[in-house]
Amino acid sequence: GAGVSQSPSNKVTEKGKDVELRCDPISGHTALYWYRQSLGQGLEFLIYFQGNSAPDKSGLPSDRFSAERTGGSVSTLTIQRTQQEDSAVYLCASSLGSGGFGEQFFGPGTRLTVL
Amino acid sequence: AQSVSQHNHHVILSEAASLELGCNYSYGGTVNLFWYVQYPGQHLQLLLKYFSGDPLVKGIKGFEAEFIKSKFSFNLRKPSVQWSDTAEYFCAVNSPNYGGATNKLIFGTGTLLAVQP
Repeated sequence: GAGVSQSPSNKVTEKGKDVELRCDPISGHTALYWYRQSLGQGLEFLIYFQGNSAPDKSGLPSDRFSAERTGGSVSTLTIQRTQQEDSAVYLCASSLGSGGFGEQFFGPGTRLTVL
Repeated sequence: AQSVSQHNHHVILSEAASLELGCNYSYGGTVNLFWYVQYPGQHLQLLLKYFSGDPLVKGIKGFEAEFIKSKFSFNLRKPSVQWSDTAEYFCAVNSPNYGGATNKLIFGTGTLLAVQP
């Protein structure tokens, strides 16, 4: 694929359930980022991967949030015991790594609604 | 903590009007600056970026931005807007000096631009 893809595009869940959000970065991009876009909060950084390691997890809002990346490609963001305040659009972005500060390419996002 | 401020939350213009959207950041070190745009129903895409060199940066669709280091500003401009420019615009910054290895972007809260035909 040409761009960053995310799945599902929409997810509705009940409070207390766990959810997994998936991101497929652009092929060859070693850097991967998760952001959250919510009303009143704008776009917030969550976590950054370089390869399979996450040197910056500072944006994860609580220990209910975790993410992993395998094979230097696909990443999964997991939210355990979802709360209504977790409702937001979760965005994934990727860029060429190796210490560069190039353009981050964003996916279409996953809209999460917690009832 | 580093922050980005966008002073205009909602801007309404008529076609052919000139546009200037303000962006200020709070970090005093070396910065890279970006403007992203999100058209209705579409994902975020890069409008323009500044890393170094000429502080007047030209982007796609006739947009430009000027980096003024002394004012910590990176305002977005377009001389004549079109209805198709209706979108949400985000200013963002990152820095090699935040500490750690992160390339994270710090975003402003966005400006909704509505262009009336």
